[in-house]
Amino acid sequence: AQSVTQLGSHVSVSEGALVLLRCNYSSSVPPYLFWYVQYPNQGLQLLLKYTSAATLVKGINGFEAEFKKSETSFHLTKPSAHMSDAAEYFCAVSEGNAGNNRKLIWGLGTSLAVNP
Amino acid sequence: KAGVTQTPRYLIKTRGQQVTLSCSPISGHRSVSWYQQTPGQGLQFLFEYFSETQRNKGNFPGRFSGRQFSNSRSEMNVSTLELGDSALYLCASSLRGGTNSPLHFGNGTRLTVT
Repeated sequence: AQSVTQLGSHVSVSEGALVLLRCNYSSSVPPYLFWYVQYPNQGLQLLLKYTSAATLVKGINGFEAEFKKSETSFHLTKPSAHMSDAAEYFCAVSEGNAGNNRKLIWGLGTSLAVNP
Repeated sequence: KAGVTQTPRYLIKTRGQQVTLSCSPISGHRSVSWYQQTPGQGLQFLFEYFSETQRNKGNFPGRFSGRQFSNSRSEMNVSTLELGDSALYLCASSLRGGTNSPLHFGNGTRLTVT
């Protein structure tokens, strides 16, 4: 079965610093990979997704992630953190057969704090 | 376009009671998924409904059930509540379901069982 590991449940960066949130997955078939963000008291919002096209995926709010098959990783980065980036970030991998019967397996999340 | 609406936002119940949560998806979305979110377990998939049929199911006991109506609105029911059922319950809708179209989440219903 697929699984997702997010290294670091809490990450703290200074405003303007690089953001790096780590995600490793296990999958026996080519995966679909996702990053979602959850702001306080809100639901989750899709940041970006990888579906076997380009390995470097650009998302919203300046975030991007690189799929590295050899490392089974899909780390999320942003060159310069903004105060508004403080939130919980979730990595997810698809499981199951191709098509509409896939479901998502989620990491436990990484809480990002941005210090002024 | 209105987003995913979940009602109520907060619920307090006692052990042994049952509860029904409601989710109205984005107009035109036929898939509704339910998740349980807790600090220790993260997001756990409960089930997905598509066109009134349950298409996927997670590893939860039979006390957790759901249904979807012809207008795509969905309800989730938990019977014989236990303390461990305290969680944020999130509903997400998508156009086609599975992982082929993005999930759009509601703000959740926070259930507290005392």
